[in-house]
Amino acid sequence: DTGVSQNPRHKITKRGQNVTFRCDPISEHNRLYWYRQTLGQGPEFLTYFQNEAQLEKSRLLSDRFSAERPKGSFSTLEIQRTEQGDSAMYLCASSLVQALGTEAFFGQGTRLTVV
Amino acid sequence: AQSVTQLGSHVSVSEGALVLLRCNYSSSVPPYLFWYVQYPNQGLQLLLKYTSAATLVKGINGFEAEFKKSETSFHLTKPSAHMSDAAEYFCAVISGTYKYIFGTGTRLKVLA
Repeated sequence: DTGVSQNPRHKITKRGQNVTFRCDPISEHNRLYWYRQTLGQGPEFLTYFQNEAQLEKSRLLSDRFSAERPKGSFSTLEIQRTEQGDSAMYLCASSLVQALGTEAFFGQGTRLTVV
Repeated sequence: AQSVTQLGSHVSVSEGALVLLRCNYSSSVPPYLFWYVQYPNQGLQLLLKYTSAATLVKGINGFEAEFKKSETSFHLTKPSAHMSDAAEYFCAVISGTYKYIFGTGTRLKVLA
């Protein structure tokens, strides 16, 4: 068990560019979550998958954001036409859903800076 | 809908003093509650969780939390603060759709 892995750890991009982040969950986990965290705030839910199915998306997730989890393994989060307001830490988490009390395990995050 | 409120965005304690971080929840069903810790530029690490087995929950690093239904609270405590406890702490509740909902966090500062 190597934990949840996120790449890259840091990304600086120019406004208007597209960026893609990758998350590799703990191997047997069937749930995968994406959260966004801005300075001084708690993580805000963006979306989650159960296996390969995207079950819920937050209203925070504009049309410029898209997430995939092909074959129920790793996941990617793409932001198109980035804006300065997209600057944040993007956190990925995974869990094995057996009961409601199951905890989520978080990766170290990808910090995005849009200049 | 479930939610959590963390009172106090910043808490300072002296090394060796009691740590008390407050969390109140709102839930229409019996809640499942979590405390996570985040160090600078890191992800979140689970400290402890409440899943209705016992109202006093012990976690890692000497932390514990007590579930009080009458007060809708799940405050985090540690008898004696250590410098290494300086971090940001988040309370969270899980929704019926297995979505984790976080509070705004409390930054703990430990004074020498």
